[in-house]
Amino acid sequence: SAVISQKPSRDICQRGTSLTIQCQVDSQVTMMFWYRQQPGQSLTLIATANQGSEATYESGFVIDKFPISRPNLTFSTLTVSNMSPEDSSIYLCSVRAGGNEQYFGPGTRLTVT
Amino acid sequence: KQEVTQIPAALSVPEGENLVLNCSFTDSAIYNLQWFRQDPGKGLTSLLLIQSSQREQTSGRLNASLDKSSGRSTLYIAASQPGDSATYLCAVRGTGTASKLTFGTGTRLQVTL
Repeated sequence: SAVISQKPSRDICQRGTSLTIQCQVDSQVTMMFWYRQQPGQSLTLIATANQGSEATYESGFVIDKFPISRPNLTFSTLTVSNMSPEDSSIYLCSVRAGGNEQYFGPGTRLTVT
Repeated sequence: KQEVTQIPAALSVPEGENLVLNCSFTDSAIYNLQWFRQDPGKGLTSLLLIQSSQREQTSGRLNASLDKSSGRSTLYIAASQPGDSATYLCAVRGTGTASKLTFGTGTRLQVTL
């Protein structure tokens, strides 16, 4: 299994600013994922972040808006840039351990005013 | 494109009842299927993982079945308790090591006293 922590747990930000979310895993993992969960919705994959390579973004998500760093096998950051109220969501970090089961962090609840 | 649907969207049952949550998916070429639980405003907790070659998995009062050919999975909860109240999500992973999870819409369960 894997234990994942995220910082911050929640934040209220003003329109036009940026927020960087940190994800820390208690073990080395190859594949890390960032998801967004908009209010009342299910989860949508933003990007897959593998250490040593550029993140792979899903359709509808771009690097300029959601830059991701993956400096090592236990850590990643997601930045939400130039925020608007439509970015208000829960952002979740996830890892795949042992090649199979996926685990999720507690999430970062972002409110943009 | 894989699509995952969960029925019902919401369910309220009295404590002690046995219940079944349903998940269907359109593409039967899956690697595995995972059931998660999400409490309000929180991250996801993995409940059960079923590999594509398996028919069912059990953990305590939970039993998940998989019928890959028909594109269906069920989550059976025995002797429900108020602490089981949460949203239950199923997610399917496509074939290939880089494949992503596709999430269902979720079933919001309330177990009443």
